[in-house]
Amino acid sequence: EIVLTQSPATLSLSPGERATLSCRASQSITNNYLAWYQQKLGQPPRLLIYGASNRATGIPDRFSGSGSETDFTLTISRLEAEDFAVYFCQHYFTSPHSFGQGTKLEI
Amino acid sequence: QVQLVQSGAEVKKPGASVKVSCKASGYTFTDYYIHWMRQAPGQGLEHMGWINPNTGGTKYTQRFQGRVTMTRDTSISTANMELSNLSSDDTAVYYCARHGIKYYYYGVDVWGQGTTVTVSS
Repeated sequence: EIVLTQSPATLSLSPGERATLSCRASQSITNNYLAWYQQKLGQPPRLLIYGASNRATGIPDRFSGSGSETDFTLTISRLEAEDFAVYFCQHYFTSPHSFGQGTKLEI
Repeated sequence: QVQLVQSGAEVKKPGASVKVSCKASGYTFTDYYIHWMRQAPGQGLEHMGWINPNTGGTKYTQRFQGRVTMTRDTSISTANMELSNLSSDDTAVYYCARHGIKYYYYGVDVWGQGTTVTVSS
C-alpha cells in the first residue's frame, strides 16, 4: 500500500498570502495519478487538481499543482477567505487509493 | 446535472450490518467506477474499495475484506455498499464517488453528499 504523508499538518496564514502544501508518497506514483481535494466542514471533498497538475473544472487559477514520482505540491497563490479549509492528497495508481492525513489551512 | 445521491443516516447496534445506496444521475452509469470512502469523526479519509458498474467487478481494501460487499443495479443506476459485523470503530460518514473508466486520468470528480452511520449499543 502506498502511504501518503502531508505536511504541514496545520498551516496558519492570512488572506493574500501564498500557501504551499506538500504530499510525499512512500513509492513512485506512475502517470502522476495524484489528486488534491478541498474539504469544508460538513461537506464532501471537492476535486481541485488531477494528474498532479491539472485544475478540475471550475477551479480558480490561483490553485496549482506540481510534482512527480514521490513529491507533490499544491500551491494557492493568493489566499482568499473561502480557501481556509482542509486539503487532502490522494493517489489513484494502485488499490487502495489511499489519502494523505490532510493539511488544515487556517487563518 | 451530474449527481450522486446517497441514502439517509443510519443508527446500528454492534454486530449488525448496514447498507448504503448511491443513486447516479446525469451521466452514463456504466462509464464510471463507483468508489466508497469513509471518514470517522474528526479524521481523514479512508478508501474502502470500488465497483465497476459495467462488469460488476470489485476491488476491496484489504482491511475490509470479508466484511464489505459492493453491488450495483444498472437498471436504476444505483450502487450499494454493505458493511457487516459493525463495531463502534465503523462510526463514520460514508461517501460514494465516481471515477472515469475510459478517462481514468481525470480522477474522482463527483462525490455523493455522504451518509452518516452511527454504531452504538
